Amino acid sequence: EDKVVQSPLSLVVHEGDTVTLNCSYEVTNFRSLLWYKQEKKAPTFLFMLTSSGIEKKSGRLSSILDKKELFSILNITATQTGDSAIYLCAVAGGTSYGKLTFGQGTILTVHP
Amino acid sequence: DTAVSQTPKYLVTQMGNDKSIKCEQNLGHDTMYWYKQDSKKFLKIMFSYNNKELIINETVPNRFSPKSPDKAHLNLHINSLELGDSAVYFCASSRDPESFTFGSGTRLTVV
Repeated sequence: EDKVVQSPLSLVVHEGDTVTLNCSYEVTNFRSLLWYKQEKKAPTFLFMLTSSGIEKKSGRLSSILDKKELFSILNITATQTGDSAIYLCAVAGGTSYGKLTFGQGTILTVHP
Repeated sequence: DTAVSQTPKYLVTQMGNDKSIKCEQNLGHDTMYWYKQDSKKFLKIMFSYNNKELIINETVPNRFSPKSPDKAHLNLHINSLELGDSAVYFCASSRDPESFTFGSGTRLTVV
């Protein structure tokens, strides 16, 4: 069965700190790994990674994939209170077309 | 002009009742999904339809029945609701992994 595991499950930091969120996976027929941010409603797309070692960056957020060791990290530098959210990692792959398998999420809380 | 819309947003109902949640997408995507997010925020796939054909049916009780009248709609009907069905149900659609788009969710509370 496809499996995605995120760590830590929760994290509390102060504004200005840098955080690293982890995602490891076991999926047959891996196609891509995606990161989402979920605040009050639906998850919103952050990054999609398909190739090892190529960093994707958007402002203070960046992410990288290691397909040999089967994991990805999401970095957030100079955190702000608006970064408080659940960060979800998902993997596209497996035997079922189009299916995304999600990890259990990391709840990030940024205090002023 | 909402891309993936679900109704209702909130649903409070008694055990044993039957209820439906509707979902529509205007993105032209071929594939639609239902995901369940439990109290621990774990998102788990329930069903997926591609061009009105059921392609994913995870281990979900028979009380849950999806229906796709056309590729822009995927509705979820739940019979004989139980307390454990309380969760947020997300509809989603995609053409490929990067275009995966969620609806805003339906918070179902069974009392």
